[in-house]
Amino acid sequence: AQTVTQSQPEMSVQEAETVTLSCTYDTSESDYYLFWYKQPPSRQMILVIRQEAYKQQNATENRFSVNFQKAAKSFSLKISDSQLGDAAMYFCAYRLYTLTQGGSEKLVFGKGTKLTVNP
Amino acid sequence: GAGVSQSPRYKVTKRGQDVALRCDPISGHVSLYWYRQALGQGPEFLTYFNYEAQQDKSGLPNDRFSAERPEGSISTLTIQRTEQRDSAMYRCASSLYGGETQYFGPGTRLLVL
Repeated sequence: AQTVTQSQPEMSVQEAETVTLSCTYDTSESDYYLFWYKQPPSRQMILVIRQEAYKQQNATENRFSVNFQKAAKSFSLKISDSQLGDAAMYFCAYRLYTLTQGGSEKLVFGKGTKLTVNP
Repeated sequence: GAGVSQSPRYKVTKRGQDVALRCDPISGHVSLYWYRQALGQGPEFLTYFNYEAQQDKSGLPNDRFSAERPEGSISTLTIQRTEQRDSAMYRCASSLYGGETQYFGPGTRLLVL
């Protein structure tokens, strides 16, 4: 079964510095998608970044970038120049697609990492 | 454009009552998903719709939970005879098609007393 593991329940970073959040996953698929979602105190779920496994180039979105290591099944999120507004829970997710019942898909989430940004 | 909306945002109910949670996806989005998120956990999949067809309900915990999307747009998740263990945040997401990025609504926080 596909699983997603976030080994850091909590992380903290000083404002303007860089932090990396870890995520590993387990899959037998060769092509898949990975995501990072942010959940601020408002408890909205906001997409941060997406990575397609067939792409060798790591995805970037402004201050957010990933280090995707396919062989190691690792998908870490790097936040540069951290800002107070980055404080949130961060969830790593794997898109699981199955062919049963005419096709189904779902996101499998890790348990999250709570990021604190210190001024 | 408007994002995914859910109503109500908060629902307090007594054990044994039925509740209906509504999701209005982004206009034109074909795929719709329901998830449940317990405090301190990541969301867990409940069910998936492609247009009006419920193609996967493998995550529904028991037969008290049901969902529908009769016209391929708005969806309703119904919990019958609620129990305290049903208390959680219920999230809806939609995507343009299967395989595209899922966009989440604000969630409905359900508290069963």
